[in-house]
Amino acid sequence: NAGVTQTPKFRILKIGQSMTLQCTQDMNHNYMYWYRQDPGMGLKLIYYSVGAGITDKGEVPNGYNVSRSTTEDFPLRLELAAPSQTSVYFCASSYSGSGGADTQYFGPGTRLTVL
Amino acid sequence: AQKITQTQPGMFVQEKEAVTLDCTYDTSDPSYGLFWYKQPSSGEMIFLIYQGSYDQQNATEGRYSLNFQKARKSANLVISASQLGDSAMYFCAMREVNTGFQKLVFGTGTRLLVSP
Repeated sequence: NAGVTQTPKFRILKIGQSMTLQCTQDMNHNYMYWYRQDPGMGLKLIYYSVGAGITDKGEVPNGYNVSRSTTEDFPLRLELAAPSQTSVYFCASSYSGSGGADTQYFGPGTRLTVL
Repeated sequence: AQKITQTQPGMFVQEKEAVTLDCTYDTSDPSYGLFWYKQPSSGEMIFLIYQGSYDQQNATEGRYSLNFQKARKSANLVISASQLGDSAMYFCAMREVNTGFQKLVFGTGTRLLVSP
């Protein structure tokens, strides 16, 4: 059971370039999330998905897009990279519906620098 | 208004001592959940402990316990018998059940340093 995996681990982009951050989970979780963590700060929600085909914006969605064609995968797309998107990106997943903690489990993160 | 407040940017503790990391929260939702995550220098976010707003007893997980004081809206993390490996950032987070989805709001974190 790998949990939540993210690729790449590190990436440097030039301003205006595009890229996709990959996220896969093998826990059959229905909910998936993308967060960003700026230096010295907590995590902020970018986008989330409650199931395949359903996505919605979080707190800081501008400059990003997502899709969820399968339960397992939730890629995050940056179309025109800007220095303000320099951050560490975390993908997470949870199972909702059990009535319990619905704990979110996180991937190892992708450190992105835009120069 | 800040939903989650962690007022201690850094804490120091000696090995084998206990330490309390503070967390206060703000919500008008009667149903919510409180979480603590550990982030070591390697960067991953590790779930530690959960407390539901209707839970009668304080949550415990091994050396971690959550001192939940509902009336004061505080959810402090207590680490007993600190170990060198406990040195990390610690984040308190809250989920409000009635927002319609499982959104977590994070505090700014507390950096814990455990010395020998």
